[in-house]
Amino acid sequence: GAGVSQTPSNKVTEKGKYVELRCDPISGHTALYWYRQSLGQGPEFLIYFQGTGAADDSGLPNDRFFAVRPEGSVSTLKIQRTERGDSAVYLCASKIGPEQTRANVLTFGAGSRLTVL
Amino acid sequence: GESVGLHLPTLSVQEGDNSIINCAYSNSASDYFIWYKQESGKGPQFIIDIRSNMDKRQGQRVTVLLNKTVKHLSLQIAATQPGDSAVYFCAETGGATNKLIFGTGTLLAVQP
Repeated sequence: GAGVSQTPSNKVTEKGKYVELRCDPISGHTALYWYRQSLGQGPEFLIYFQGTGAADDSGLPNDRFFAVRPEGSVSTLKIQRTERGDSAVYLCASKIGPEQTRANVLTFGAGSRLTVL
Repeated sequence: GESVGLHLPTLSVQEGDNSIINCAYSNSASDYFIWYKQESGKGPQFIIDIRSNMDKRQGQRVTVLLNKTVKHLSLQIAATQPGDSAVYFCAETGGATNKLIFGTGTLLAVQP
């Protein structure tokens, strides 16, 4: 597609429930990132995929958070037993490959706002 | 849309003035730096980048300055316009990681 697409744009859930957030990267982008942004803060790195594999998941806060990218395109961020502290905007971003160049900068989606009541 | 401006440092400027937004980065191994602009309810948008082998880079109305000695980055916006109102983040990466690490951000408020 033309940009990074994230669904849902808004999700309200109750404490303890399971949530899935979806990211459709730009077509052809092999690198995909998930970030979490709390109110008034900068995006916080969660996980990075290169192709189908999680190349770096050091930012996942605990084992309630998991992400997959089974076919190297769409990715799903899964949160189990949600807590009120999980409330944030979850941002997805993609780029062509692993290189850090001006032609290959991260392009972000608009995010999925998660509210845990 | 959600405001990411609460609790952030704020720079208020008059339309037409020049703006300077500062950022201190943390990792001396970082060798690539990017400025992003984030409007309310949207994801961050690329503005300009710079590598550590440079100390200045210019774009259209924007200039980034890098001082590696004190690990400081600045973004200069010339002739600031109301459409420049947003939160600005610096981000760093480099070394053995592909992670892009963001700073805390500055809210730029342009007064007409």
